[in-house]
Amino acid sequence: GAVVSQHPSRVICKSGTSVKIECRSLDFQATTMFWYRQFPKQSLMLMATSNEGSKATYEQGVEKDKFLINHASLTLSTLTVTSAHPEDSSFYICSARDLAGDSMETQYFGPGTRLLVL
Amino acid sequence: GQNIDQPTEMTATEGAIVQINCTYQTSGFNGLFWYQQHAGEAPTFLSYNVLDGLEEKGRFSSFLSRSKGYSYLLLKELQMKDSASYLCAVLDSNYQLIWGAGTKLIIKP
Repeated sequence: GAVVSQHPSRVICKSGTSVKIECRSLDFQATTMFWYRQFPKQSLMLMATSNEGSKATYEQGVEKDKFLINHASLTLSTLTVTSAHPEDSSFYICSARDLAGDSMETQYFGPGTRLLVL
Repeated sequence: GQNIDQPTEMTATEGAIVQINCTYQTSGFNGLFWYQQHAGEAPTFLSYNVLDGLEEKGRFSSFLSRSKGYSYLLLKELQMKDSASYLCAVLDSNYQLIWGAGTKLIIKP
């Protein structure tokens, strides 16, 4: 099946620094990528929808100036957590929809990035 | 508002059968997904239903009734590795995935 990678898998940073997370679709093109956040024992919460070549669409309550999303190509989207604080510590997961897919099944998840802000 | 309900936790015995229910109220419906998520990992796709009825895939089956806003995931011949959270998600009229909180399934020997 299709593969989505995320880098880094884990990151620990100091409060106030910025962290960039990359999401890549390895063997397919993705016009749309999704960024989720998951706190312990909770379900996934959609943060934003990233469309190649255009601005991301953020969900209500998600600060777009704090969570910068760039979808520069059909295989890469990045999420930058700016001026990270301890409350931003979470599991960040991206997913990508296959451009060529004609089925709603064709949304694939990356392995996730665990962020810990000290 | 949009709402997806599923039990928080279930326990079952190795080798047995378990059914995880999911009810939903969403603005529009373009299909229902079941995902499996092991602790510390991203979700993996299990099934997709858009028409009423039962879809079978090996040990896992998923059922949908659109008129009742109801689905279940049936796991047969349970194995210890099936211990995970099972997430129900509905694709709404805007093709956005609405997620349930997940059901933690505990398998006992």
